[in-house]
Amino acid sequence: RKEVEQDPGPFNVPEGATVAFNCTYSNSASQSFFWYRQDCRKEPKLLMSVYSSGNEDGRFTAQLNRASQYISLLIRDSKLSDSATYLCVVTPNAGNNRKLIWGLGTSLAVNP
Amino acid sequence: GAGVSQSPSNKVTEKGKDVELRCDPISGHTALYWYRQRLGQGLEFLIYFQGNSAPDKSGLPSDRFSAERTGESVSTLTIQRTQQEDSAVYLCASSLAPTNNSPLHFGNGTRLTVT
Repeated sequence: RKEVEQDPGPFNVPEGATVAFNCTYSNSASQSFFWYRQDCRKEPKLLMSVYSSGNEDGRFTAQLNRASQYISLLIRDSKLSDSATYLCVVTPNAGNNRKLIWGLGTSLAVNP
Repeated sequence: GAGVSQSPSNKVTEKGKDVELRCDPISGHTALYWYRQRLGQGLEFLIYFQGNSAPDKSGLPSDRFSAERTGESVSTLTIQRTQQEDSAVYLCASSLAPTNNSPLHFGNGTRLTVT
């Protein structure tokens, strides 16, 4: 089993739709979780951290389910500009970022 | 403030030549990472620097790859005797601290093409 797994997609949704991605991780001791987005031929950019209690930033909601070892990202009212690859990142060890584990990403295409 | 800066943005080189890639992290960021991303693939960890600690070189794919960092500033990644399989985007990232909740800030990358 891969340390971090994501459905590669692509997810094709119409503008205004709600879409959700999951990311599963294998190490139950994992400490920190992030969602990044990467536009085509660009560098990854932090979208949001994922907190234990769940967190929301505008149209984006991130949640952590430790029991089932996955994090999720929900995007409401999708915009064309949301089209990108969404990368999940997990820090397996307490205390340092040294060994970030990156998923391969989920591709989202929002269509007019 | 200024973000992570990488140079050159593009580099085309002949097989067998050496190349040097440069990364200027965000000022005050103690942690610095190099990643490689081949076309359509995920991020591949190469090396990690944290302050004056010994770097984590566990991701370097071969002894043709090396990297240095001067204190908590500039880093250079050197690839000797380049091969075609080295063609990729090389991404540098920095973070404020090595702790878990410090997100990474990436540079625009260097797109390396080995012909």
